[in-house]
Amino acid sequence: GQQVQQSPTSLVLQEGENAELQCNFSTSLNSMQWFYQRPGGSLISVFYNPSGTKQSGRLTSTTVIKERRSSLHISSSQITDSGTYLCAMERSNTNKVVFGTGTRLQVLP
Amino acid sequence: DPKIIQKPKYLVAVTGSEKILICEQYLGHNAMYWYRQSAKKPLEFMFSYSYQKLMDNQTASSRFQPQSSKKNHLDLQITALKPDDSATYFCASSQGTELSNERLFFGHGTKLSVL
Repeated sequence: GQQVQQSPTSLVLQEGENAELQCNFSTSLNSMQWFYQRPGGSLISVFYNPSGTKQSGRLTSTTVIKERRSSLHISSSQITDSGTYLCAMERSNTNKVVFGTGTRLQVLP
Repeated sequence: DPKIIQKPKYLVAVTGSEKILICEQYLGHNAMYWYRQSAKKPLEFMFSYSYQKLMDNQTASSRFQPQSSKKNHLDLQITALKPDDSATYFCASSQGTELSNERLFFGHGTKLSVL
């Protein structure tokens, strides 16, 4: 089964609305990261967030390792936020990074 | 200015042929990786190398062979190409292999289409 579950699969927002993206892990993990990917583009690390809450501008990530979950909050969304947001975890006792299938975000004007 | 260079960006190949995907990183990292992204599938780990030595592979077919001529190079040779190999192949790197303390950095990918 899928080790990294992301929800929602896709999300359409009006510019200015907030978004909450969820990531749940089925196995124990050492760490996790949030990535942003434009269509046909490279992945950009948005947050490396082993535990707790981190904020960068309009983005806030909250990870609770013990509960095997993480969320990414986007406030006051902009059209340029459109793309796919991927979460990935490093499984415990390995150095393998496992990715979720992503949340495809579209922000409309 | 990209620090992880993948060549080519797009590649079209015929079934049965052989291709090499190039990856060079200029971040001074010691660990490099290959990932594969197919339509409607999660990004999949393929290989990890540290100091030019294979650390881990994810049961990739023997048709996929990483090649590391230098610490900052990790090319991917694919032989006997099949249409199912069509995907975007991403190269990545990190300073070390203890990914609980590291960020992963990705290249722009090589989009491979096998006809």
